[in-house]
Amino acid sequence: NAGVTQTPKFQVLKTGQSMTLQCAQDMNHNSMYWYRQDPGMGLRLIYYSASEGTTDKGEVPNGYNVSRLNKREFSLRLESAAPSQTSVYFCASSVFGDRSSYEQYFGPGTRLTVT
Amino acid sequence: GDSVTQMEGPVTLSEEAFLTINCTYTATGYPSLFWYVQYPGEGLQLLLKATKADDKGSNKGFEATYRKETTSFHLEKGSVQVSDSAVYFCARASGGSYIPTFGRGTSLIVHP
Repeated sequence: NAGVTQTPKFQVLKTGQSMTLQCAQDMNHNSMYWYRQDPGMGLRLIYYSASEGTTDKGEVPNGYNVSRLNKREFSLRLESAAPSQTSVYFCASSVFGDRSSYEQYFGPGTRLTVT
Repeated sequence: GDSVTQMEGPVTLSEEAFLTINCTYTATGYPSLFWYVQYPGEGLQLLLKATKADDKGSNKGFEATYRKETTSFHLEKGSVQVSDSAVYFCARASGGSYIPTFGRGTSLIVHP
């Protein structure tokens, strides 16, 4: 099992460019999440998908869109990148349903710089 | 709302020293509690968890006990190694919101 995979690992964009971050999991998990990590801010939830066919906003959704393509894949799109979106982006997944399933499994991250 | 508070870092220790990283949480509902570890350049990975009061989670020599009376879940290790240098995140999650609430992370630096 590969677990949670993310592409690309690194990306540099110019202000105003668009891009899509890809995430896939092979653990048959229902729920998937996108976080951003910035120094001193911890993890902040951007969007999540409780199950295939649903998506919801998290704490910091502005400037982002998501697509739950199928049960395995959850993509994050930046339509018009801004320097404030320079960050490390993590995708995560989890089983939804009981107390022991709140734990999340994380991908290796995408390091994005917007100039 | 739900929150998790961790001690600020960095925590700097010599190899074989005793480690404690403090974590307190809001007691709304009956949360499950977690410690995640993030090694340099990697994503977070679950280190240990506890799902009810008085449970002790343990893994790789790390331990944490779910203390309901003090709403705490402090991470401890008796003898740290250089390879334990990482950022440690405390988190809680409970029914009604399956999304964990994370603390801001505590950086641990272990010197030889």
